[in-house]
Amino acid sequence: QVKLLQSGAALVKPGASVKMSCKASGYTFTDYWVSWVKQSHGKSLEWIGEIYPNSGATNFNEKFKGKATLTVDKSTSTAYMELSRLTSEDSAIYYCTRLGSRYWGQGVMVTVSS
Amino acid sequence: DVVLTQTPSILSATIGQSVSISCRSSQSLLDSDGNTYLYWFLQRPGQSPQRLIYLVSNLGSGVPNRFSGSGSGTDFTLKISGVEAEDLGVYYCMQATHAPPTFGAGTKLELK
Repeated sequence: QVKLLQSGAALVKPGASVKMSCKASGYTFTDYWVSWVKQSHGKSLEWIGEIYPNSGATNFNEKFKGKATLTVDKSTSTAYMELSRLTSEDSAIYYCTRLGSRYWGQGVMVTVSS
Repeated sequence: DVVLTQTPSILSATIGQSVSISCRSSQSLLDSDGNTYLYWFLQRPGQSPQRLIYLVSNLGSGVPNRFSGSGSGTDFTLKISGVEAEDLGVYYCMQATHAPPTFGAGTKLELK
């Protein structure tokens, strides 16, 4: 069955970067866009951007351009998101998903604190 | 960006009661391809969002048929016909017709 397995929680210092992973299984990884979604504590959901693994093409929410970098490793069916120049505003849970589908990762909690 | 306004923000219900949640869009969600990319999700505490409805009214795989979706253009509704305890959580509508995809602020369903 389709699974999206995300990496573990991260505690990072302000100004640093963090890279998280989303390993796909149970389907042809290169056939579907992978989206990333942010959920700040107790808040709603924000779409960050998406990547098409076959070509590496990306689309971003303007709000997250320059903040998020999306990449994939086709050999391991893994999508990555790197967040840079972290501030307290980046503390949140980050999900990978095939947007619009039933398939979501379990989420990665990122805490930015000194 | 398209703004989705969900009402109410909090919904108190008893087990067995039927309830509805409204999602109003700032723009029509009818796409030029004829589809309306409006979805409903339920997020239980500590869990990832779970898709309930896709393309306005299509029931997701494994989703109980007490859930139903309706609407068109800018006005959409999720109905639960007979709330069960497992339905408690926060409901979100999402649109993917216009870039970027956006979500409503959520409706928290709690027990009265």
